[in-house]
Amino acid sequence: DAGVTQSPTHLIKTRGQQVTLRCSPKSGHDTVSWYQQALGQGPQFIFQYYEEEERQRGNFPDRFSGHQFPNYSSELNVNALLLGDSALYLCASSLIGIQETQYFGPGTRLLVL
Amino acid sequence: AQSVTQPDIHITVSEGASLELRCNYSYGATPYLFWYVQSPGQGLQLLLKYFSGDTLVQGIKGFEAEFKRSQSSFNLRKPSVHWSDAAEYFCAVGEGSQGNLIFGKGTKLSVKP
Repeated sequence: DAGVTQSPTHLIKTRGQQVTLRCSPKSGHDTVSWYQQALGQGPQFIFQYYEEEERQRGNFPDRFSGHQFPNYSSELNVNALLLGDSALYLCASSLIGIQETQYFGPGTRLLVL
Repeated sequence: AQSVTQPDIHITVSEGASLELRCNYSYGATPYLFWYVQSPGQGLQLLLKYFSGDTLVQGIKGFEAEFKRSQSSFNLRKPSVHWSDAAEYFCAVGEGSQGNLIFGKGTKLSVKP
């Protein structure tokens, strides 16, 4: 049983470019959350998708957008990249429900030059 | 505002010694509390969680944590540390287990032989 997978593992972009990160949830999961983890910091919640809609959103600008597909996989898009967007982007999947555990993927490390 | 504080940035313990990692939270309602571990280049793995009930919770890999409402703390403990426990540990708080987890900045654990 595959866990949460993310692609690509590493990515280098330049300022002003756009990037798309991908996440496949753990088998049987229907909810995907995205987090940004800057160097030396804990993860920060970006948003969560369920039933192909954004269910919750953290304090991130509109440059950060997402999508969930019918197979529950998800994409995170970041437009107009800034140097400060350099971070590890983590995807977590879970079953919708108040006491369900979030399972994290290995992350995508994004470097913006 | 909700927040999590992990006062120790880096802790070094000898293999076989006991371990306690501190976590304090600020949260208006009854919190859902979590400890995650992150090895280099890896995503986050859930060690244990507290939702309600018994304030002493057992987790994987021999870890346990105790919820103390009066001290707003949720400290992680292990009686005997193994070299493989070297990693970064994150405490998190949320309204539930779904999305919008607020993480501390983490404590890096080093283990001396």
